[in-house]
Amino acid sequence: EAQVTQNPRYLITVTGKKLTVTCSQNMNHEYMSWYRQDPGLGLRQIYYSMNVEVTDKGDVPEGYKVSRKEKRNFPLILESPSPNQTSLYFCASSLFGDRGYGYTFGSGTRLTVV
Amino acid sequence: AQSVTQLGSHVSVSEGALVLLRCNYSSSVPPYLFWYVQYPNQGLQLLLKYTSAATLVKGINGFEAEFKKSETSFHLTKPSAHMSDAAEYFCAVSGTTDSWGKLQFGAGTQVVVTP
Repeated sequence: EAQVTQNPRYLITVTGKKLTVTCSQNMNHEYMSWYRQDPGLGLRQIYYSMNVEVTDKGDVPEGYKVSRKEKRNFPLILESPSPNQTSLYFCASSLFGDRGYGYTFGSGTRLTVV
Repeated sequence: AQSVTQLGSHVSVSEGALVLLRCNYSSSVPPYLFWYVQYPNQGLQLLLKYTSAATLVKGINGFEAEFKKSETSFHLTKPSAHMSDAAEYFCAVSGTTDSWGKLQFGAGTQVVVTP
């Protein structure tokens, strides 16, 4: 089954404790992206990657890091989480070069930073 | 820059009544437009998309949307609401060829269906 898999689904952590949210897709998509979803704000892009070793900032990149060492994986790293990063996070993937393809989304990771 | 405005953060409809969710967009290039649905505790699922072919687009679960260039709109409709339509709906516009992969999302519309 074609899918984007995120782990974990739920995570509660303390301020300053480094964490990684994993994302993997099995569709051989070049493009991958991280979004955060907050009430009343919709989805905002954090980082994206157009292919292996090619990453760039989205609209709200502060406090986050990403890497793309393999085509299928795109982990999101919070090196020193703060309470304002409490949010619902989605990983998504798409075909490069096709504006009309749209995204395939993961099931989301609900992060709480206390 | 691309942007999307969804009118109404919450919509309540009676079961069997028309569902109408409004989306207006701004785009510096011919837009590609999407509607996604998010059921509770789930990710986003593609309902339908407009990619410059037919202006009336049919999607899953009986939803359809009409692209109106003169009104810069892409409203989502369903003739008869079902209880299972209760969810949050997002309109999105695709980026330009420079940021082609980026989808710009609206703030979302929560749909409540009452018996």
